[in-house]
Amino acid sequence: QQQVRQSPQSLTVWEGETAILNCSYEDSTFNYFPWYQQFPGEGPALLISIRSVSDKKEDGRFTIFFNKREKKLSLHITDSQPGDSATYFCAADRGSALGRLHFGAGTQLIVIP
Amino acid sequence: EAAVTQSPRSKVAVTGGKVTLSCHQTNNHDYMYWYRQDTGHGLRLIHYSYVADSTEKGDIPDGYKASRPSQENFSLILELASLSQTAVYFCASLGTINQAPLFGEGTRLSVL
Repeated sequence: QQQVRQSPQSLTVWEGETAILNCSYEDSTFNYFPWYQQFPGEGPALLISIRSVSDKKEDGRFTIFFNKREKKLSLHITDSQPGDSATYFCAADRGSALGRLHFGAGTQLIVIP
Repeated sequence: EAAVTQSPRSKVAVTGGKVTLSCHQTNNHDYMYWYRQDTGHGLRLIHYSYVADSTEKGDIPDGYKASRPSQENFSLILELASLSQTAVYFCASLGTINQAPLFGEGTRLSVL
């Protein structure tokens, strides 16, 4: 059973547009949500993260919106750049789980110049 | 600079053969993990360790063993490699719980 779900599976936007990547989860004990960015042939790299006590986290062009009641998150990438083309993974962690992350299947983002 | 180094970066193995994937970190992190990545499935946890000489089963441990001989090193062992174990394997390390693990660059394993 997939505990973390992501949509869409693939997303194409034009340069300068805002890309919105969605994530939802099942387990209400999850309290930490990192988003990873992965380029082909590389390992996942932390992009931005949020804790369940917050409803928004911003870092430059990247913003996470978090709705605890609905168990949903979204990653907004404003002014998308071709260099943002990558696969984005939403992950979830319980503080008691020794860092064991549950990953979504990822969203492949393509930004067209 | 914090880093997780995996070796080899790619490997071709025969069905039924033994495969060992190695991971080394110099981050002074206590926690280490092995994940498997398959297309359409994200990353799934195979084994992890929070102290040297001890390993724990993750979500998909069947067919895999792990070894943590020191804080810096964590190996994943496939005693009898099977076709279904063809995947990309990632090692990660973590220093503080409820933070984001740092991932290595991965090992692409093809079992033929």
